[in-house]
Amino acid sequence: AQSVTQLGSHVSVSEGALVLLRCNYSSSVPPYLFWYVQYPNQGLQLLLKYTSAATLVKGINGFEAEFKKSETSFHLTKPSAHMSDAAEYFCAVRGCKISWGKLQFGAGTQVVVTP
Amino acid sequence: DSGVTQTPKHLITATGQRVTLRCSPRSGDLSVYWYQQSLDQGLQFLIQYYNGEERAKGNILERFSAQQFPDLHSELNLSSLELGDSALYFCASSPGGTPQTQYFGPGTRLLVL
Repeated sequence: AQSVTQLGSHVSVSEGALVLLRCNYSSSVPPYLFWYVQYPNQGLQLLLKYTSAATLVKGINGFEAEFKKSETSFHLTKPSAHMSDAAEYFCAVRGCKISWGKLQFGAGTQVVVTP
Repeated sequence: DSGVTQTPKHLITATGQRVTLRCSPRSGDLSVYWYQQSLDQGLQFLIQYYNGEERAKGNILERFSAQQFPDLHSELNLSSLELGDSALYFCASSPGGTPQTQYFGPGTRLLVL
């Protein structure tokens, strides 16, 4: 079965500091992996996705993630945090076989940015 | 703005009642997905429709049902509501049935009293 685990339900970073959000996956098929962001009282917005092309994926708002098969990880980073990055971030993996469309989400990581 | 619309934005109802949530996908998207987000369960996939037909099913209760109409909008029906059904319900859409980016709507917040 497909699953993702996000390490750390809350992360606090200083403005200008590195943002690192951890995601490990389990998949019985080559994974498609996604990072979504949810701002308060809004829906989910796609930050980036990995679909078996380049292992380093660049997304919107300066975020990027690196797929590491040996570590079954897909960690999200941003070199310099901005106040507007305060939100909840979700890692997700696609379903397999007959459930291609299903996204299996992690529990989410709430990011707080301090001045 | 993702292009996916959901109505209503908020819904307050009582236990035992039935409600209908509506979703209009992005123009041209054939797949519609429903997710439930709650504090204790997180984000859970409920069901997917592709061009009017059910494609995949997740943790959807028997009291819940969905359908996709010829104009591709979708409705999620929740009946015999319980307090635990209080949650944020998201609809998402994508162009096809195969794994592609899903675009999420703003959600419907359901409160069951």
